[in-house]
Amino acid sequence: LAKTTQPISMDSYEGQEVNITCSHNNIATNDYITWYQQFPSQGPRFIIQGYKTKVTNEVASLFIPADRKSSTLSLPRVSLSDTAVYYCLVGLDNAGNMLTFGGGTRLMVKP
Amino acid sequence: DTGVSQNPRHKITKRGQNVTFRCDPISEHNRLYWYRQTLGQGPEFLTYFQNEAQLEKSRLLSDRFSAERPKGSFSTLEIQRTEQGDSAMYLCASSGDPTPHTQYFGPGTRLTVL
Repeated sequence: LAKTTQPISMDSYEGQEVNITCSHNNIATNDYITWYQQFPSQGPRFIIQGYKTKVTNEVASLFIPADRKSSTLSLPRVSLSDTAVYYCLVGLDNAGNMLTFGGGTRLMVKP
Repeated sequence: DTGVSQNPRHKITKRGQNVTFRCDPISEHNRLYWYRQTLGQGPEFLTYFQNEAQLEKSRLLSDRFSAERPKGSFSTLEIQRTEQGDSAMYLCASSGDPTPHTQYFGPGTRLTVL
């Protein structure tokens, strides 16, 4: 399983763009990159998933360079409600199914 | 609401008692997962079903834990002889075609063992 490294915490202010970078140096050819958001006492919420280049949805963008050894989650114009833990996940287990969560990045959005 | 649902949302029990949690996945999803999350940590994988077959179990799943998905729809997770170390949030997720890599999580069941 590819191990991920992401900052433990980040601070931002309302209206700013937030970029959270995740390193995954040993990503495998078949691995997807997925980001989840989690609020306290709730289950993780799927944000975005990609394999290469750039993916954009109504919530975020995901930038993946050609070597795929890192990825950046971009949250445009954050609000206070974006304060949460963000998890970067890479790959699947040998059976192709298990997700391995790291410690995540605690994003604090200030007024 | 067509998302993943879990019941109960909270459970308080005394050490040594048995508890059972239920998960109802998104209806068209054939894959169902259980995770456990303790405070300040990311979720840890426990077990996985494809339809009614339990295909993967973590070493975290001791013999006191058992999970079933009898008809390939809802699933139950039972913990026998609970211990204080079992206190955690138990999360269920489901996935299915055409995006089997994308897991959708329920709200979780918070277990407190006194």
